[in-house]
Amino acid sequence: QQPVQSPQAVILREGEDAVINCSSSKALYSVHWYRQKHGEAPVFLMILLKGGEQKGHEKISASFNEKKQQSSLYLTASQLSYSGTYFCGGFILTGGGNKLTFGTGTQLKVEL
Amino acid sequence: DGGITQSPKYLFRKEGQNVTLSCEQNLNHDAMYWYRQDPGQGLRLIYYSQIVNDFQKGDIAEGYSVSREKKESFPLTVTSAQKNPTAFYLCASSIGTGGYTEAFFGQGTRLTVV
Repeated sequence: QQPVQSPQAVILREGEDAVINCSSSKALYSVHWYRQKHGEAPVFLMILLKGGEQKGHEKISASFNEKKQQSSLYLTASQLSYSGTYFCGGFILTGGGNKLTFGTGTQLKVEL
Repeated sequence: DGGITQSPKYLFRKEGQNVTLSCEQNLNHDAMYWYRQDPGQGLRLIYYSQIVNDFQKGDIAEGYSVSREKKESFPLTVTSAQKNPTAFYLCASSIGTGGYTEAFFGQGTRLTVV
């Protein structure tokens, strides 16, 4: 039931670009992206709504294909601080209300 | 400062014992969530609550119980029925459950069964 992310892990050299993909089998009301440093709380990066609206910050962009229920996170000119585990997620409409579900995670390591 | 506080940070439990993890928020958020994090499995939803005195099972609720008697508090009990409770547990909250609604997370509780 969790959204599936790919790749599971990636290693970059500083300055390289990366794309993280997220695919959901259930319709997401919106797509969220978070980054988690080891042993810390996940931190919000971006929200994408149906229709292309985005809310986020930092030098990171994303896309959301509503028909395919797929989202991609684009990291350009990566920095050492980009290292961490990235999670996609979103609200799924259920009979019991909207539940916030997250994906399987992508470990990103940026090296010098 | 507003935020979410989870306690304790580390917790050790003997097999067969119930244990309760605390989650408190002062953000005035209506919705609260509990997730379990295991290596390679991402964040899996245990329980969630959209309003006081109401909560719903998530994807892996078996062996867990919750209560939501106050808006600020959403404690999670890991019961002896949970076969593999050793994990990192994260609590989160959001002001609502739609639109531009981001979630805020606590620092987590690492539970180890000994």
